[in-house]
Amino acid sequence: AQTVTQSQPEMSVQEAETVTLSCTYDTSESDYYLFWYKQPPSRQMILVIRQEAYKQQNATENRFSVNFQKAAKSFSLKISDSQLGDAAMYFCAYRSTWIQGAQKLVFGQGTRLTINP
Amino acid sequence: EAQVTQNPRYLITVTGKKLTVTCSQNMNHEYMSWYRQDPGLGLRQIYYSMNVEVTDKGDVPEGYKVSRKEKRNFPLILESPSPNQTSLYFCASSTRTGDEQYFGPGTRLTVT
Repeated sequence: AQTVTQSQPEMSVQEAETVTLSCTYDTSESDYYLFWYKQPPSRQMILVIRQEAYKQQNATENRFSVNFQKAAKSFSLKISDSQLGDAAMYFCAYRSTWIQGAQKLVFGQGTRLTINP
Repeated sequence: EAQVTQNPRYLITVTGKKLTVTCSQNMNHEYMSWYRQDPGLGLRQIYYSMNVEVTDKGDVPEGYKVSRKEKRNFPLILESPSPNQTSLYFCASSTRTGDEQYFGPGTRLTVT
């Protein structure tokens, strides 16, 4: 079974600085999806960024980018120019491409990010 | 607007009193899931459905039931809630081949 680990329960960063959230995962599959979700105080789950494992290029969405290291099974999220609105819980998640595994996301424990003004 | 809706958003109940949390999606998605979120554990899948009348257990199914009589609806049933089911619950849906899951707004359940 796949597992996802976020080893940083909490992180903090100064506004306008850059922060990196770590995520590692374990799988025997060669093709899969990885995601970062943001959960603000409203509790809504918001997709931040996705990465397809067969794509070498790291995904980027505006100030958010990932460092995907497939061999190391690492998937970190970098937030540049941090803003107060980035304060939230961030979850790393894995989804299989196989039919039997594609029906669920496997989540990490979450990292609570605080932005200091 | 494409969305997943859940009701109620907040619920406080007592041990043993049956309850149902409704979930509905308007995107014609085949896949639907229920997750629970607990501090330090992230989200864990309770049950999922791959289509109408097709449901199966996720990672933490004990104490829960589901049904999928219509494609758009996927209610979560707690027939005899216990305090360890106090949690934040999310319904999610996706296409069979798509990569993104769409989440509902969450239901905060407290069982006393």
